[in-house]
Amino acid sequence: AQSVAQPEDQVNVAEGNPLTVKCTYSVSGNPYLFWYVQYPNRGLQFLLKYITGDNLVKGSYGFEAEFNKSQTSFHLKKPSALVSDSALYFCAVRDYNQGGKLIFGQGTELSVKP
Amino acid sequence: EAQVTQNPRYLITVTGKKLTVTCSQNMNHEYMSWYRQDPGLGLRQIYYSMNVEVTDKGDVPEGYKVSRKEKRNFPLILESPSPNQTSLYFCASSLVPPGGNYEQYFGPGTRLTVT
Repeated sequence: AQSVAQPEDQVNVAEGNPLTVKCTYSVSGNPYLFWYVQYPNRGLQFLLKYITGDNLVKGSYGFEAEFNKSQTSFHLKKPSALVSDSALYFCAVRDYNQGGKLIFGQGTELSVKP
Repeated sequence: EAQVTQNPRYLITVTGKKLTVTCSQNMNHEYMSWYRQDPGLGLRQIYYSMNVEVTDKGDVPEGYKVSRKEKRNFPLILESPSPNQTSLYFCASSLVPPGGNYEQYFGPGTRLTVT
C-alpha cells in the first residue's frame, strides 16, 4: 500500500534560522510527491512537487524540497524562516491505484518565533 | 479569480438532521473531490468525481453522498449526520486527476460540528 508519513507533529524554529519539515514515503513505482501548506482558516495551497528531474525542487515562498530515493524521503526546507511561515504543512504522494488521487500525511505544525 | 468556494464555512447541527455542503469551482475542472481533515489523520478522501455524472467512493465514504449534475458543482450530502462526522471538510478540484502536472485547488473549508 502506498503511504506517506510526517514523523513530527510540530516543528519549532526561530525566525531567521533554517527549517526542515520531514516526510517519508512508501510507493510502488516512481513517486510523485507534493507539499501543501494550510494557513489558519484557509484551504490548502500548493507549494511544490517532484515528478522527475533534479532532486532539489524549488517552490513558492522560498521553499524547496529534496528528493532522496535511497532514504525514500522528501523533506521540505527553507534557508531562513519567517514568522509568516507558521502554518500546517502536508506532504502528499500520488496514489496510482485510484484515479491518481493524492494520499496525504498527517500534517506538521510549523511554528516560527521571532 | 480562479477559485473553489464552499458554503457554509461553519455549521453546527444536531444528529440526524440532513445537511448539504455546497462546492463550486469556476475553472472548468473535470476532477472534483471531497476530503475530511481530522487531527493526526491528515486529509482523507470521501468521494471524488472524474466528470459530470461520474462519481466514486474514496477512502471514507460511509455516511456521505455526493452528486455531480453540473461540471462546476459537487455538493456533499449528509443524510443523517452523526457526531463522528464532526470534522473540517475540504472540496478540491483539478483539470485532471491530481498527482501530475496539474495543480489541485482547495476550497477554504467547512467546519462541521454535529451534536
